[in-house]
Amino acid sequence: EDQVTQSPEALRLQEGESSSLNCSYTVSGLRGLFWYRQDPGKGPEFLFTLYSAGEEKEKERLKATLTKKESFLHITAPKPEDSATYLCAVQSLSGGYNKLIFGAGTRLAVHP
Amino acid sequence: EAGVTQSPTHLIKTRGQQATLRCSPISGHTSVYWYQQALGLGLQFLLWYDEGEERNRGNFPPRFSGRQFPNYSSELNVNALELEDSALYLCASRTGQGVFEQYFGPGTRLTVT
Repeated sequence: EDQVTQSPEALRLQEGESSSLNCSYTVSGLRGLFWYRQDPGKGPEFLFTLYSAGEEKEKERLKATLTKKESFLHITAPKPEDSATYLCAVQSLSGGYNKLIFGAGTRLAVHP
Repeated sequence: EAGVTQSPTHLIKTRGQQATLRCSPISGHTSVYWYQQALGLGLQFLLWYDEGEERNRGNFPPRFSGRQFPNYSSELNVNALELEDSALYLCASRTGQGVFEQYFGPGTRLTVT
């Protein structure tokens, strides 16, 4: 069964303190891995898609990487406005253009 | 470019009633997905519509249903509401052109009392 596990559940950082969020997955053939950001009470905001091991994507202070078993979201010198829940999702080859399977998310709090 | 829109923003219903939630996809997107996000739980896949047809559904009872209109907008209906149906209902859309990212709307907060 396809499964996504994110760690840690919650992370508290000081402004400027870099860190990484982990997303480990088990799928029957990976079609794509997606990172989203979700603010409280709002819909998830698309950040990145990664398709194959070794691929990397960057956007401002965020960098996503992918291996055959996990993905990391690296946050460099975070600011308070980076506080949000970060969601990882996978789409398997067996699912076609079907559903995304989401992890439970990592709640990030960045304090000044 | 306008994003995915959903209405209403909030909906309060009584147990046993029916709820109707609406979604308009991004222009040019033909696939619409519905997800449920209950408090403390992750996003759970509900339904997928493409070109007016229901293509797949998640592990939810038949009282969760919907449809997609010719203009690709979609409606989610929840019959015989139960307290545990209280959640944020999210709609996402995707172009049917081999791109896999789904873009989400702001959600409808459904509260069942």
